[in-house]
Amino acid sequence: DAGVTQSPTHLIKTRGQHVTLRCSPISGHKSVSWYQQVLGQGPQFIFQYYEKEERGRGNFPDRFSARQFPNYSSELNVNALLLGDSALYLCASSLGGNAGNTIYFGEGSWLTVV
Amino acid sequence: RKEVEQDPGPFNVPEGATVAFNCTYSNSASQSFFWYRQDCRKEPKLLMSVYSSGNEDGRFTAQLNRASQYISLLIRDSKLSDSATYLCVVNILNNAGNMLTFGGGTRLMVKP
Repeated sequence: DAGVTQSPTHLIKTRGQHVTLRCSPISGHKSVSWYQQVLGQGPQFIFQYYEKEERGRGNFPDRFSARQFPNYSSELNVNALLLGDSALYLCASSLGGNAGNTIYFGEGSWLTVV
Repeated sequence: RKEVEQDPGPFNVPEGATVAFNCTYSNSASQSFFWYRQDCRKEPKLLMSVYSSGNEDGRFTAQLNRASQYISLLIRDSKLSDSATYLCVVNILNNAGNMLTFGGGTRLMVKP
């Protein structure tokens, strides 16, 4: 079975541009979360979606938005990119939205803003 | 103060050594606890869950002390392949959803 898949794996954007990152969860998983990992730090929670509804939002500006589609795949959008948005963006899926569900990460999308 | 704190290391140990990592968390609403392993430029992967009763998986032993809000990981008989960053993680279910809160990671380097 396929794990969590993310695209693109690497991309370079210019300050002020917009980026869309995509994620397909493990088959049967209904919850998708997004994390940002800046070099040298642990991942930081951005969003969680469960059954197509936003369940949680971390401490990120409104430039960050996301959605979940009927097939449970998800997109993360970042507008007006800043240099500080350069990071590894991780998508994670879990069966449900509860704390006891194991969370599985995709390989991530490496975003470089120049 | 960070919600999950770890010594960043690096811990440089010879093969066969025993090494211990510690972690403290500040949110008493934390419900689940984990150690994740992250190799360089790769995604985090679940190493093991952590329970108050303590749990062991081969050479790895994890322990949780809820009263002290303290989590530990012990690695016995270190292998070269254990070299990685170990992330202490707590799972909080609150109005922000089901979110994992990560420590900054502890880097382990096992030398021949």
